[in-house]
Amino acid sequence: DTGVSQDPRHKITKRGQNVTFRCDPISEHNRLYWYRQTLGQGPEFLTYFQNEAQLEKSRLLSDRFSAERPKGSFSTLEIQRTEQGDSAMYLCASSLQENYEQYFGPGTRLTVT
Amino acid sequence: QKEVEQDPGPLSVPEGAIVSLNCTYSNSAFQYFMWYRQYSRKGPELLMYTYSSGNKEDGRFTAQVDKSSKYISLFIRDSQPSDSATYLCAMTEYNFNKFYFGSGTKLNVKP
Repeated sequence: DTGVSQDPRHKITKRGQNVTFRCDPISEHNRLYWYRQTLGQGPEFLTYFQNEAQLEKSRLLSDRFSAERPKGSFSTLEIQRTEQGDSAMYLCASSLQENYEQYFGPGTRLTVT
Repeated sequence: QKEVEQDPGPLSVPEGAIVSLNCTYSNSAFQYFMWYRQYSRKGPELLMYTYSSGNKEDGRFTAQVDKSSKYISLFIRDSQPSDSATYLCAMTEYNFNKFYFGSGTKLNVKP
């Protein structure tokens, strides 16, 4: 399977805990995007990388959120001190540079209790 | 005001009907306009894109963009039960740095 993969698919955590999600993009894609999607809403942009450089971050990305793409391949999204409002689907997408065609992964569904 | 507005539906139609889905937007800098389909608990899947104003057809699907009105549409002809899903519009500027999505319209095609 050469699509975008995300791990884990589901995560249940208690409020205040830290969580980390992983995204593996399509191998030749140098752009990687993170989105958050809540029920009944479309994906909301969080941040994107071009290779290993994080080039843009949304104001939605509070200082509890951090993302990395250390070698320009896979990426991680960490949420520290989770809150109930962080419960959502976290989607990763990848694309070739400056291309409209994003390929989405299946998402990681986070539930904060 | 959101950058992209989309009627959430739900929209229920009989099989074979023509479906019209629409979005409006506020940012005149948007250049690329996409439609995605999303099944429950899955990631969105790109259906079609259009650059700037105009129409684009792909099988039973037609995408239209009217930049003067800041209005985009997706038409589905001869709708099938397998078309039942949430349809998301999305748009971006020339540099593809950020993509803005509508809230999605849930479509149900009844056999």
